[in-house]
Amino acid sequence: EVQLVESGGGLVKPGGSLRLSCAASGFTFSSYSMNWVRQAPGKGLEWVSSISSSSSYIYYADSVKGRFTISRDNAKNSLYLQMNSLRAEDTAVYYCARDGRWELLYAFDIWGQGTMVTVSS
Amino acid sequence: EIVLAQSPGTLSLSPGERATLSCSASQSLDSRYLAWYQQKPGQAPRLVIYSAFNRATGIPDRFSGSGSGTDFTLTISRLEPEDFAVYYCQRWGGSPRYSFGQGTKLEIK
Repeated sequence: EVQLVESGGGLVKPGGSLRLSCAASGFTFSSYSMNWVRQAPGKGLEWVSSISSSSSYIYYADSVKGRFTISRDNAKNSLYLQMNSLRAEDTAVYYCARDGRWELLYAFDIWGQGTMVTVSS
Repeated sequence: EIVLAQSPGTLSLSPGERATLSCSASQSLDSRYLAWYQQKPGQAPRLVIYSAFNRATGIPDRFSGSGSGTDFTLTISRLEPEDFAVYYCQRWGGSPRYSFGQGTKLEIK
């Protein structure tokens, strides 16, 4: 079964750090670009960051640039998001999502269940 | 920067009716790069349509996508109870990358 499972969310104080992980299974992880997408409580979806299959290309939304770092370990079938200098507005459910471009499917075709990050004092 | 605007914000319909959801881009968009997602409360988004009109795996044929240029539409021909959810359009690629529309809530009337 193709699956993405996020972990690492929790409660953190403003200015703090957190590292999210996403474990992939059921597909050749190293072939796919991956993404983080977040959703603040009661709000819509916001793309956060993406990383190409070999980590050659990395992109960030302006709202997190300079504070968040995306990375991956293809040997471990894992995606990461290092979040530093966290702010209250970073409070959201964070989803990892597979980019289907390798199959000429220009969309996020597989999503994890999400992990909640709460930034509050 | 291409911005996606969805309308209406909320659509109230009854099971069996036809739903038409719109997504308007601020600039012309390659239709290969327009997708639609469904999200139910407490769940992750689910891909419904990619490249403007292609149904994703497991999506019933009552869902269809159309459009080109700046105007795209998701149509659900006969609503089933499980179709009531929030729907998002998404632009794949470009700058900013992978932006989403603000969503349309499809609710039971």
